[in-house]
Amino acid sequence: GENVEQHPSTLSVQEGDSAVIKCTYSDSASNYFPWYKQELGKRPQLIIDIRSNVGEKKDQRIAVTLNKTAKHFSLHITETQPEDSAVYFCAATPADRGSTLGRLYFGRGTQLTVWP
Amino acid sequence: DTEVTQTPKHLVMGMTNKKSLKCEQHMGHRAMYWYKQKAKKPPELMFVYSYEKLSINESVPSRFSPECPNSSLLNLHLHALQPEDSALYLCASSQDRRRQETQYFGPGTRLLVL
Repeated sequence: GENVEQHPSTLSVQEGDSAVIKCTYSDSASNYFPWYKQELGKRPQLIIDIRSNVGEKKDQRIAVTLNKTAKHFSLHITETQPEDSAVYFCAATPADRGSTLGRLYFGRGTQLTVWP
Repeated sequence: DTEVTQTPKHLVMGMTNKKSLKCEQHMGHRAMYWYKQKAKKPPELMFVYSYEKLSINESVPSRFSPECPNSSLLNLHLHALQPEDSALYLCASSQDRRRQETQYFGPGTRLLVL
């Protein structure tokens, strides 16, 4: 099955700095890549996603880039704020493999802390 | 309504109890999921229902029994659980599993097994 690696596991930045989280995946059939933010005690919430026909997507301070050849995708947060502090999970979803279709394969998560 | 709701928010049960977790969505989604999440770990898939039929069971022990009474409701029946089953249980839904649509998560039920 799909294997998603996520780095770093923890990331501390000063308010206003940028944060970058990187993920790699193993299954070339994966073509949908969502990012979830999970604050302490809360549900995972989708913050941005990208499909394989697009190389980059941006939503205000958040952007995601995808390199299908290298099988990696990254989350970029600019002008970080204390409320960005949370665990971020990347995920990959295969397109056409029977029981794996539509499944989310998660990375292990990155604990982001933004210091004021 | 764009939310997935779950009840109860918290549940404490003994190893001999029987309890049920409930999940509801009114977004017209036809795929619903149960996940188990331990602290500081990603959600682990347990079950997937697609058009009210069980399509994935991730080799979950039989003490967990899912049920999908209709397209809006998903239950997880619990019986004879073990302390290691204590976790956050998340429900999610998506438009259609076959089209890789976004999964939306409910707030979860925090379960403690004594």
